[in-house]
Amino acid sequence: DTAVSQTPKYLVTQMGNDKSIKCEQNLGHDTMYWYKQDSKKFLKIMFSYNNKELIINETVPNRFSPKSPDKAHLNLHINSLELGDSAVYFCASSQDGVDNSPLHFGNGTRLTVT
Amino acid sequence: QKEVEQNSGPLSVPEGAIASLNCTYSDRGSQSFFWYRQYSGKSPELIMSIYSNGDKEDGRFTAQLNKASQYVSLLIRDSQPSDSATYLCAVKARTSYDKVIFGPGTSLSVIP
Repeated sequence: DTAVSQTPKYLVTQMGNDKSIKCEQNLGHDTMYWYKQDSKKFLKIMFSYNNKELIINETVPNRFSPKSPDKAHLNLHINSLELGDSAVYFCASSQDGVDNSPLHFGNGTRLTVT
Repeated sequence: QKEVEQNSGPLSVPEGAIASLNCTYSDRGSQSFFWYRQYSGKSPELIMSIYSNGDKEDGRFTAQLNKASQYVSLLIRDSQPSDSATYLCAVKARTSYDKVIFGPGTSLSVIP
């Protein structure tokens, strides 16, 4: 069973469109994240949810809106896509309250905006 | 100052040699440290975690932590071509909630 799964794996779209990426984890973790990895491979945190509550919101344009319907799901909706949004987006989860709890990553969604 | 820094590389070592990867961090109160390996086109996968000063060994991998120097390293003994990947240092920041910050990664190439 896949622990953290995200869909779609690839997403190609035009500027100005709106798109969503879905993420689900079956690890029973309390905390879920969205990370963005740019062309230089730098992995930057965007958002974090703990039990459906937004707890980390890094400096991300408000065109990006995360939604967590329950603690096993964290979706990312992006409005008015721009060329600079092209990147790989990783969903991850971890167990809150455990110091050494690592992040478990999904397989990533490669977003290409043309 | 960036929160987590690594030598970007690329680092090239011959097969069988020891590869040494270094990482420094700025938040002195950070408690947990992780090394992830990322192959091209794949997601990061955890190699080691460490939270106490000193060395932690797991097979061919040894993580070293020195909180006073705000320094963490990863040694890979008997390097294999399959170890060729980007290695990401990650630090769990001292906040109310878990926030894991990644370094820029070091690209390692093991030459047969």
